Amino acid sequence: NAGVTQTPKFRVLKTGQSMTLLCAQDMNHEYMYWYRQDPGMGLRLIHYSVGEGTTAKGEVPDGYNVSRLKKQNFLLGLESAAPSQTSVYFCASKEGGSRGEQYFGPGTRLTVT
Amino acid sequence: GENVEQHPSTLSVQEGDSAVIKCTYSDSASNYFPWYKQELGKGPQLIIDIRSNVGEKKDQRIAVTLNKTAKHFSLHITETQPEDSAVYFCAASMGTGGYNKLIFGAGTRLAVHP
Repeated sequence: NAGVTQTPKFRVLKTGQSMTLLCAQDMNHEYMYWYRQDPGMGLRLIHYSVGEGTTAKGEVPDGYNVSRLKKQNFLLGLESAAPSQTSVYFCASKEGGSRGEQYFGPGTRLTVT
Repeated sequence: GENVEQHPSTLSVQEGDSAVIKCTYSDSASNYFPWYKQELGKGPQLIIDIRSNVGEKKDQRIAVTLNKTAKHFSLHITETQPEDSAVYFCAASMGTGGYNKLIFGAGTRLAVHP
């Protein structure tokens, strides 16, 4: 099993450009999450999904959109990138219910200039 | 909203010493408290977790304690080794939902010197 994979690993965008980050998991997990990690602030939840076709907002959803068209994939979109979105983005997945841990991907480092 | 405070932000110990990291949370409905270790350039990895129906859990050199009344929990690492050097994050679940939405502390950078 590859676990949780993220594409791309690095990206540089100019202000106003758009992009999509892809997260894929092969563990048949129901729940998937997108976090951003900034220095001195830990990880903050952007959006999450509790099943195929469903998404919900987390702590810091503004400026991001997500889609979960297939159970194994969770996409994070930036429609008009801003320098404040420079961060490291982590995806995670978890089995359904209250048990089980969140498994994290290796991260995507995004810089917006 | 829910808030998790973590201390210290940096911790330096000698190999073989113990290390303790402390966290406090604000939502009394939180019932799940995981600890993650993050090595440079990698995603966080769960090392131990505790649920609100127990006060202590141990796994080899790692232990976690929970005080629900005071709303704080701690990570204890004994007999530290250089490979324990990493950033450690505590987290608390938001409410009692099974979705496991987590609020993370800001992290502790642990350095273990040989």
